Amino acid sequence: NAGVTQTPKFRILKIGQSMTLQCTQDMNHNYMYWYRQDPGMGLKLIYYSVGAGITDKGEVPNGYNVSRSTTEDFPLRLELAAPSQTSVYFCASSFGLAGPGDEQFFGPGTRLTVL
Amino acid sequence: GENVEQHPSTLSVQEGDSAVIKCTYSDSASNYFPWYKQELGKRPQLIIDIRSNVGEKKDQRIAVTLNKTAKHFSLHITETQPEDSAVYFCAATSGINDMRFGAGTRLTVKP
Repeated sequence: NAGVTQTPKFRILKIGQSMTLQCTQDMNHNYMYWYRQDPGMGLKLIYYSVGAGITDKGEVPNGYNVSRSTTEDFPLRLELAAPSQTSVYFCASSFGLAGPGDEQFFGPGTRLTVL
Repeated sequence: GENVEQHPSTLSVQEGDSAVIKCTYSDSASNYFPWYKQELGKRPQLIIDIRSNVGEKKDQRIAVTLNKTAKHFSLHITETQPEDSAVYFCAATSGINDMRFGAGTRLTVKP
C-alpha cells in the first residue's frame, strides 16, 4: 500500500492564480482531512470528509474548496491564491473518526508559496 | 472551540536524560489527546495517544499523562536518544472538526 499520497510536492503560485492539490489514499479509509501548517505552528484543519459525497468545513476553510467524488480521492482547490495561503498542506485519512484506535495517517505534504 | 497551548517551544537535553512536554486545553468536552512527532521535512506521525477515561499510558520509552481536572496532559520521553530529535505536537479533540494542535516543541537531544 502506498498509504496517503499528495501531488505536487512543491508549487509556486502568483497572487490570483488557482490550483488543485491532489490527495489519494489506498487504505479504504472513510475519513479524509486537509490541514495547513504555517511555519513554527501546529496543524489547522481546513476541510474534512466522512465519506464520498460528504464534506464539511474545519477551522480555517476560507479561500479553499474540496470535493469527494470517490473514497480514494480528496482534492483541495485554491481559488484566487493569496500570500496568506503560503503554507505546507497535509492530507490525512483515517478509517473511522480520528480517535483511539483510528489513527490519522498523513501524506508527505505539499509546500505552497504564493508570491 | 478548543484551544491548546504547548510548552516549552524548544527543549534541549543530553542523551540519556528525560524530556517532558506539557499541553493545556480549554474545552472540558475534549476526550482524545494524541501526540505527533514530525522530523524535519517529514509528515507528522502518531507516537502515542490517550483518551479521557485513562490517566496514563506508556509505550516503551514514551508515556503520556492526563489530568482532566486541571485540563493538562504531558508527554514524557525517558532515556532520550539523538533520533528522538524532532518537533512534537500535542492535540485535543471531542470530534472531527475541532481537533486543535499545539504550536509544537522542538526537541534536540545532544549526544
